This record gives sequence, C-alpha cells and structure tokens, in this order.
Amino acid sequence: GESVGLHLPTLSVQEGDNSIINCAYSNSASDYFIWYKQESGKGPQFIIDIRSNMDKRQGQRVTVLLNKTVKHLSLQIAATQPGDSAVYFCAEKHFNKFYFGSGTKLNVKP
Amino acid sequence: DAGITQSPRHKVTETGTPVTLRCHQTENHRYMYWYRQDPGHGLRLIHYSYGVKDTDKGEVSDGYSVSRSKTEDFLLTLESATSSQTSVYFCAISESSLTRGNTEAFFGQGTRLTVV
Repeated sequence: GESVGLHLPTLSVQEGDNSIINCAYSNSASDYFIWYKQESGKGPQFIIDIRSNMDKRQGQRVTVLLNKTVKHLSLQIAATQPGDSAVYFCAEKHFNKFYFGSGTKLNVKP
Repeated sequence: DAGITQSPRHKVTETGTPVTLRCHQTENHRYMYWYRQDPGHGLRLIHYSYGVKDTDKGEVSDGYSVSRSKTEDFLLTLESATSSQTSVYFCAISESSLTRGNTEAFFGQGTRLTVV
C-alpha cells in the first residue's frame, strides 16, 4: 500500500511568521501531490498541488516544494494568519487513487 | 465548493444493523471515493469507483460494500455495523483528462457515524 507521512503532528507559530509543514511519501511512481487544509467539522479543502515534473509551485501566500530524490514534500505558508489554524494533509496520487498522511495541526498564536 | 452532497450528515445506529451512506455529485466527475477519518489515521480509502458499476477496494474495505448505478451517486453500505466503524466518512470526487491531466480530489462535508 501507499504511505504518506508527516514529520510533525503539531506546529505552533506566531502570527505573521512563516510556517513550514513537511511530508514524506513512499511511492516514487506517484506523479501528483496535493496539500489540503481541514478545519474543524469540515471536509478537506484543496490548497495547492504540484506535478512530479516540477520542483516548486507558488500560490497566494503558499508554496509547495517537491524533492523527488528524497521523496519529500513541504508546504510553506507566508505571513501566517489566525485563519490558517487547521489540520494540513499532504496526499499523493497513484493510479487515480489518493493516499493521505495523518496530518499536521497548525496553531497560530496571536 | 464542488457540488458534492453527503447524506445523512449525522447518524447513530445500533451494532448489527445495516447502514447506507449516500454521496451525490453534480460535477459529472468520473472518479468517486469513500474515505474514513479517525484520530491518528488521517484519511483512509475504503472503496473507489472509476465509472458506473466500476468499483475497487481501497486500504480498509472489509465490512463495507459500494455501488454506483449512476454517474452522480456513490453509495457506501455497512452490511452489519460494528463499533469499530464509528468514524467520520468522507466522499470525494476527481477527474482526470488528457487536456488537464491529474486534478485534485474535492471532498464533501462528511458524515459522522456512531455505532452503539
């Protein structure tokens, strides 16, 4: 089976600081990766994605980095805001199925 | 939000009873998925569908069955509910095309199921 894991289960940051959430994936054949944000009582929401032929992709305040050599994915959130407090999941896609890690909880301190 | 509706949103049932959860989409996406979410386990794939009447097992399929008779509906059935199936269940949809390639999965709001 697939295995996608996160290094830090809980991350606390000060409002305004940058946040970095890390993820390791196991299947080198996975060709598509996604970061999701999940707020309490809601379904996961798409944040940003990256294809395996890319190393970096930027969105609004978020950047995803992909290192295929060590099978590592990271999500960077710039100028973290209280509204960023949530659980973040990385996912890898393989043969049209999505496999998720256990998530990292981000706490933003005012 | 993607047009995904899960029903019911909450359900309490007794051990041994059958339960069916419904996922309805209005996006005409080919792929549909059922996940369960438990503390410490993240989202685990139960079953998925790659077309009408085309389904396959996921990581944790024991005790669950699915059916997809129409593109828009994907049903998850617990034939005889057990306490270990107490969880939050999420439906997701996805599309993959020659023009867009891989795309993300969109999730419903979830169904909280309690088996007592």
